[in-house]
Amino acid sequence: QKEVEQNSGPLSVPEGAIASLNCTYSDRVSQSFFWYRQYSGKSPELIMSIYSNGDKEDGRFTAQLNKASQYVSLLIRDSQPSDSATYLCAVNVNTGFQKLVFGTGTRLLVSP
Amino acid sequence: KAGVTQTPRYLIKTRGQQVTLSCSPISGHRSVSWYQQTPGQGLQFLFEYFSETQRNKGNFPGRFSGRQFSNSRSEMNVSTLELGDSALYLCASSLQAGGPNTGELFFGEGSRLTVL
Repeated sequence: QKEVEQNSGPLSVPEGAIASLNCTYSDRVSQSFFWYRQYSGKSPELIMSIYSNGDKEDGRFTAQLNKASQYVSLLIRDSQPSDSATYLCAVNVNTGFQKLVFGTGTRLLVSP
Repeated sequence: KAGVTQTPRYLIKTRGQQVTLSCSPISGHRSVSWYQQTPGQGLQFLFEYFSETQRNKGNFPGRFSGRQFSNSRSEMNVSTLELGDSALYLCASSLQAGGPNTGELFFGEGSRLTVL
């Protein structure tokens, strides 16, 4: 079982719709969770972090965490064509030091 | 504030050669992590350094090594290159050293290595 799993997509949504990206992880003791966005040919950039169960909102982005189900999601409201990118879920496998494990990413396509 | 700088951006090597990649973190960041990104495997953790000490290492063979200098700059080296080492090598810096709330990484643009 992979440590962090995501559906590779592509996930296609029309402009203005809500895009829902999902991620599951295997390590129950993981405590910090992140969403990175990677445009084609570019490096990943952090867009959301979440540490506690529940929802965390930042503009059009909402991260959701359910530690009991080992599930993290990212909702993008009012999706824009500029949101088209690969979204990487990352989990800090807390070995005491910094080790971020990434999923393989979900490609999001937002059509005008 | 300058971002993470990686050099060189592109390089081509042949099998059996070695390569050294350099990374300058954001000023004030003392943690540097290295990742390998390939289309099939995604982002794979190589190692993480903090205060010149390797704190964590991924599942890569011993041909992959790294170090960090006192000014937090880091280098990684790959010896005896294989075709499968062709990848984008990403360096990321972080303000925090570790613990449960770390993982906020700032990535450089990467070094794209092609092995022929």
